[in-house]
Amino acid sequence: RKEVEQDPGPFNVPEGATVAFNCTYSNSASQSFFWYRQDCRKEPKLLMSVYSSGNEDGRFTAQLNRASQYISLLIRDSKLSDSATYLCVVNKNNQGGKLIFGQGTELSVKP
Amino acid sequence: EPEVTQTPSHQVTQMGQEVILRCVPISNHLYFYWYRQILGQKVEFLVSFYNNEISEKSEIFDDQFSVERPDGSNFTLKIRSTKLEDSAMYFCASRLQGAQPQHFGDGTRLSIL
Repeated sequence: RKEVEQDPGPFNVPEGATVAFNCTYSNSASQSFFWYRQDCRKEPKLLMSVYSSGNEDGRFTAQLNRASQYISLLIRDSKLSDSATYLCVVNKNNQGGKLIFGQGTELSVKP
Repeated sequence: EPEVTQTPSHQVTQMGQEVILRCVPISNHLYFYWYRQILGQKVEFLVSFYNNEISEKSEIFDDQFSVERPDGSNFTLKIRSTKLEDSAMYFCASRLQGAQPQHFGDGTRLSIL
């Protein structure tokens, strides 16, 4: 089983649509969770951290279910500029704090 | 906003040659990382560095790889004898402490011929 597994893409949606991405992780000892976005051939950029109580940042809502080892990202009112690859990222917070990345889900928002 | 900077942006090297990739992490950050991303694949962890020593390294980070923080600002990744399969984007990242997220530089594209 992959350490971090995401929905296969690509997701093609019209502007204004709501889109949801799902992610599961295999290591129950994982401590910190993040969504990063990556534009084509660029660096991963932090979108938001994911907290156990769920959290929202504008049009973006992240949820974490530790019992199911499941993370989600909801994007409301999609914009053309949301087109990117969304990376589900997990950190075990061991001494080194390495990040474990999912394969990513590609989102394409069309006019 | 402070950022992680990497140089060069693109490095082309003959197989078997040594290459050094350079990074300047965010100034007050304490933890430093190298990751790589082969074209079309996911981002993979290489090594983490804290308190002037390696804290963790992956299977990819074999004897051909080394890291150094030669002064208070630079963090380098050296590949001693490059192979074709080392061709990838190499990202440096830094983190302040605790559960703070990591911030990435814009990467060095390494092409091995």
